Amino acid sequence: GENVEQHPSTLSVQEGDSAVIKCTYSDSASNYFPWYKQELGKGPQLIIDIRSNVGEKKDQRIAVTLNKTAKHFSLHITETQPEDSAVYFCAASIQGYSSASKIIFGSGTRLSIRP
Amino acid sequence: DAGVIQSPRHEVTEMGQEVTLRCKPISGHDYLFWYRQTMMRGLELLIYFNNNVPIDDSGMPEDRFSAKMPNASFSTLKIQPSEPRDSAVYFCASRTGPHTEAFFGQGTRLTVV
Repeated sequence: GENVEQHPSTLSVQEGDSAVIKCTYSDSASNYFPWYKQELGKGPQLIIDIRSNVGEKKDQRIAVTLNKTAKHFSLHITETQPEDSAVYFCAASIQGYSSASKIIFGSGTRLSIRP
Repeated sequence: DAGVIQSPRHEVTEMGQEVTLRCKPISGHDYLFWYRQTMMRGLELLIYFNNNVPIDDSGMPEDRFSAKMPNASFSTLKIQPSEPRDSAVYFCASRTGPHTEAFFGQGTRLTVV
């Protein structure tokens, strides 16, 4: 089955600097890659997603890149702010006859923004 | 819409007892997922449903776990008998289609003592 690996597990950056989180996936059939942010005591919430027919997508301070050949994708947060502190999860969605719409998550990255 | 609603928010039970977690998905969402979150294993997919039918339950850890979706607006995850290693936060999520946003509930924090 699909396996999603995520690095680093923890990341601390100075406020205003950029943060990058990287993920790799194993199943070349995966074609949808969402990123979720989880704040303390809450469920994960989608912040951005990318489909396999697109190499890059940007939404204000957040951008995602996808390299289908290498099977890896990354989250970039620029001009980090204290409210960006949270746990971030990458995920891959597999579409197939017996496992349609399964979402497999990476292990998470705890991002801390230093004031 | 109030979003995905899970109950209870917290559950403390003794080993060997039956535990039932409940989920109400967002109206109109055809897919429902149950995840378990622990520090060691992260977010694990347990089972998911499409139009109330279980599609993939390969993540259900043991026969002690069972899930049902009797109708489009309600699902349960049952653990019987419960064990201390079942302690985790259990999330329910729903989505409208294969490549759409999955909305998560607030989770149920289960502690088995």
